[in-house]
Amino acid sequence: GAGVSQSPSNKVTEKGKDVELRCDPISGHTALYWYRQSLGQGLEFLIYFQGNSAPDKSGLPSDRFSAERTGGSVSTLTIQRTQQEDSAVYLCASSTMPGTGEAFFGQGTRLTVV
Amino acid sequence: AQSVTQLGSHVSVSEGALVLLRCNYSSSVPPYLFWYVQYPNQGLQLLLKYTTGATLVKGINGFEAEFKKSETSFHLTKPSAHMSDAAEYFCAVSSLSGSARQLTFGSGTQLTVLP
Repeated sequence: GAGVSQSPSNKVTEKGKDVELRCDPISGHTALYWYRQSLGQGLEFLIYFQGNSAPDKSGLPSDRFSAERTGGSVSTLTIQRTQQEDSAVYLCASSTMPGTGEAFFGQGTRLTVV
Repeated sequence: AQSVTQLGSHVSVSEGALVLLRCNYSSSVPPYLFWYVQYPNQGLQLLLKYTTGATLVKGINGFEAEFKKSETSFHLTKPSAHMSDAAEYFCAVSSLSGSARQLTFGSGTQLTVLP
């Protein structure tokens, strides 16, 4: 597709369940970001993939959170044993590398943990 | 290391008034600077960017920003606010580190436009 695609757009899950969020970046973009945006809050950096380099995981809030990027394209963010405080919009963005660093965002996945 | 500070988490202006959203950055190397806008329930959309060249950059919807190296600032302005400008605005910086440019965002400014 022409833009960054995220799925699902909405996800409701029970506390304690695991969830997987998917991001399809723009074709050819080698850098990929995950951010979290809680209600009324700014962007919280989670993880950054940059080409074949080791990802910057410094923003992951706990070991329940993990992400992978297969074949340098699609990325999956996994949250294990979800908690209510995990409820947020999870945004994915991609960019060329190095390029200008301009990031193109998907529409986000709204996660609700009940 | 790089960081972005947006002064004022909430800004209110009257319709037709000047919009000024402040952004200051820190970067050890020449930065590229961005403003993004987020409308309710949507992702982020690029408003404008500064990479090299002219320090006054114009973006979509009548917004512009000026890169001032001496002040480490990249404030966003619009001469006359419209109701449709109500949104959250994020300033961001990317600096070259090795072969990569990692993007760092400010905490955002919520713009309210009053009738």
